[in-house]
Amino acid sequence: DGGITQSPKYLFRKEGQNVTLSCEQNLNHDAMYWYRQDPGQGLRLIYYSQIVNDFQKGDIAEGYSVSREKKESFPLTVTSAQKNPTAFYLCASSNPTPAGELFFGEGSRLTVL
Amino acid sequence: GESVGLHLPTLSVQEGDNSIINCAYSNSASDYFIWYKQESGKGPQFIIDIRSNMDKRQGQRVTVLLNKTVKHLSLQIAATQPGDSAVYFCAEGLSGGYNKLIFGAGTRLAVHP
Repeated sequence: DGGITQSPKYLFRKEGQNVTLSCEQNLNHDAMYWYRQDPGQGLRLIYYSQIVNDFQKGDIAEGYSVSREKKESFPLTVTSAQKNPTAFYLCASSNPTPAGELFFGEGSRLTVL
Repeated sequence: GESVGLHLPTLSVQEGDNSIINCAYSNSASDYFIWYKQESGKGPQFIIDIRSNMDKRQGQRVTVLLNKTVKHLSLQIAATQPGDSAVYFCAEGLSGGYNKLIFGAGTRLAVHP
């Protein structure tokens, strides 16, 4: 079945460590996104990519990095520079234009110990 | 900045009743609106969307109403079922360019038997 797969679902990290969250899609979508979700708040955009080998910062990119070497993959690295990394991370994909539905993965919950 | 908000953070309804979840948006230029449902620990799922050239759109047991005059969006769920219990997000976006959606904080819908 077509969809978006995020892994791992749960991840624990010690302070000072980098961690990479995986996101793979087989929907043949050009655009991919990473959102962060905190309790009681809406989704906030971290990074997005409209095409392979290109990506743009979202609203809260500091402390994060991404790559888009393949159309199907958009991994997110949470670096030690991110001051408050404990959150639920959601990856999404879409066809970029016109504005339309985002398809979301099941999320990855990162906890910093 | 531009934002999407919700009037009611929590809505409790009896099974079988109709539910109405409201949302206010601030960007009068937004021309695409979407409702997502998110169950605990999962990624958001598309419910229904509407473009600014429409006032109403119906799906299966759901109806979205758009009032551009007062910049208000609502989601109506008919004959609410226990499986409808979740957090519901509205989001606004702009056609043209990449698919950047701005999400509200969400409303929790609790359905009681």
